[in-house]
Amino acid sequence: DAGVIQSPRHEVTEMGQEVTLRCKPISGHNSLFWYRQTMMRGLELLIYFNNNVPIDDSGMPEDRFSAKMPNASFSTLKIQPSEPRDSAVYFCASSLRTSGELAKNIQYFGAGTRLSVL
Amino acid sequence: EDQVTQSPEALRLQEGESSSLNCSYTVSGLRGLFWYRQDPGKGPEFLFTLYSAGEEKEKERLKATLTKKESFLHITAPKPEDSATYLCAVQINTPLVFGKGTRLSVIA
Repeated sequence: DAGVIQSPRHEVTEMGQEVTLRCKPISGHNSLFWYRQTMMRGLELLIYFNNNVPIDDSGMPEDRFSAKMPNASFSTLKIQPSEPRDSAVYFCASSLRTSGELAKNIQYFGAGTRLSVL
Repeated sequence: EDQVTQSPEALRLQEGESSSLNCSYTVSGLRGLFWYRQDPGKGPEFLFTLYSAGEEKEKERLKATLTKKESFLHITAPKPEDSATYLCAVQINTPLVFGKGTRLSVIA
């Protein structure tokens, strides 16, 4: 399996522009997670989906952020408008969620998208 | 208030010098504790899951242990290729809550 695939790997944009990050989870996985990593705050969960349905978006910093999962093999994280404080590495992860054994739902991460907002 | 605290933030070892990394947590209802390794420019890579106090797991030079309040990642006779950031995470429900990690440098 190719693992979780994220694109682009690097994104440089100017403040105010729209940014779209993409993720293809591991085939057969039914949970998908978006994280943001910074030196100050570490790895923070933004939103996660089960069976393509958003379950918890309490980590989304503000309305400028939105995420979609139109099907089991694709998800996007959009920032509009982008701001310099959004600069970070954004990770997507997927897992196979089995009922009754939540702790065995190992999350597998993509290589991340490094976003720089100037 | 941090639920997961890792220490030290950074650790520098000579090749062959064994040590331990600590992950302490304050959550209740722990379903699992995860250790990940992250190399620069890459995503976290899964190492271990521990489910209950007293459990231990090993992989090459790494051994993870779990008590009711903390987990240790023991590194025996480390090599330079063990240099990475090690992250621990706790699971209460589906999402993981990560600590900020320990940056390990192993010098030849």
